[in-house]
Amino acid sequence: AQSVTQPDIHITVSEGASLELRCNYSYGATPYLFWYVQSPGQGLQLLLKYFSGDTLVQGIKGFEAEFKRSQSSFNLRKPSVHWSDAAEYFCAVGARGEGTYKYIFGTGTRLKVLA
Amino acid sequence: SAVISQKPSRDICQRGTSLTIQCQVDSQVTMMFWYRQQPGQSLTLIATANQGSEATYESGFVIDKFPISRPNLTFSTLTVSNMSPEDSSIYLCSVVSTVNTEAFFGQGTRLTVV
Repeated sequence: AQSVTQPDIHITVSEGASLELRCNYSYGATPYLFWYVQSPGQGLQLLLKYFSGDTLVQGIKGFEAEFKRSQSSFNLRKPSVHWSDAAEYFCAVGARGEGTYKYIFGTGTRLKVLA
Repeated sequence: SAVISQKPSRDICQRGTSLTIQCQVDSQVTMMFWYRQQPGQSLTLIATANQGSEATYESGFVIDKFPISRPNLTFSTLTVSNMSPEDSSIYLCSVVSTVNTEAFFGQGTRLTVV
């Protein structure tokens, strides 16, 4: 069965420090992978996506993620965190079935940024 | 991209009553989904809304509790029936366009059952 694991429930970093949020997936075929961000009281915003091709993908707000098939991972990174990055981050996999397609979300990682 | 309008944005309801949430998209989309996000938790897929036919429900969700309609390619409703406090959650509409497999989300409906 398809699944997405985000091992870190909470992460705290200082402003200006680098960030890496972990995501591991379980899926039988080449997955479609996504990172979304949800700020307090807001909807979900897509940060970046991976469908195929270059395994290092660039997203909005200075985020990037690297797809590693051998590790079944799609970790999100940012070289220098800003206070406005404090939010909940969700990794998701797009899973195709027989005539169906659906998203499976990880449990989320809540990022806190210290001034 | 797709712009999704979800109504109401929030509501406080009495237990035992029902609430219908509407989702309107500004373009024709292939797939529409309904999710539940309980406080402090991730998104759980309730069902896929199918145009002109019965929705496809995920394990743990049933049509009697969460009836869904999708009369056309741009509109869907989710009803939360016979509500209890355990139904207090954010309910989100999501769509996947015909162009690619990127999903877009509405702002959600914050439901509180008292």
